[in-house]
Amino acid sequence: EPEVTQTPSHQVTQMGQEVILRCVPISNHLYFYWYRQILGQKVEFLVSFYNNEISEKSEIFDDQFSVERPDGSNFTLKIRSTKLEDSAMYFCASRTRHLTGELFFGEGSRLTVL
Amino acid sequence: KNEVEQSPQNLTAQEGEFITINCSYSVGISALHWLQQHPGGGIVSLFMLSSGKKKHGRLIATINIQEKHSSLHITASHPRDSAVYICAVEGGSQGNLIFGKGTKLSVKP
Repeated sequence: EPEVTQTPSHQVTQMGQEVILRCVPISNHLYFYWYRQILGQKVEFLVSFYNNEISEKSEIFDDQFSVERPDGSNFTLKIRSTKLEDSAMYFCASRTRHLTGELFFGEGSRLTVL
Repeated sequence: KNEVEQSPQNLTAQEGEFITINCSYSVGISALHWLQQHPGGGIVSLFMLSSGKKKHGRLIATINIQEKHSSLHITASHPRDSAVYICAVEGGSQGNLIFGKGTKLSVKP
């Protein structure tokens, strides 16, 4: 069964360092998303991406965050200068169609900022 | 802004019991998702609903658009059903799901 894969599964970094989280969505999917879940809290939407551009982003997704799809397969989330409060599980998801397509989630990347 | 409320927050059941988890939301939506989060953290999509009822194996999901309410039922529950079940609503924006806090289900043998 096709799946969304994420790397790394866990990353520990020092505050102020840049972090890149990688996702390989399912190959025929067109819509890509990043969500995050701070430990003990709800999952929160970060950003959606379609046709090589951001289609929507939340208040959380400030100038420290960026996304790109550099090579047509990988979908990356970059945090330029990590803060302690960026510690969370980050989930990538993808779907074939907006609104009517099932969402497929990756297993998540746990980011710990020290 | 849509508020998503789930109940109960925690649920302990004996193997074989019929389980119901409820979800209410405050603003009209285009779709509602039921998700399962494993103890390791991974999320699996169970259902996406915009009306009526869907069934997959022992899982049934219903939605009442007028009452802004959805339920997830598990028949003949099993310890492997132990997980956090999350309701999330989609309002028409591109993937901007609003998530509930989740219901932690523990099924005892």
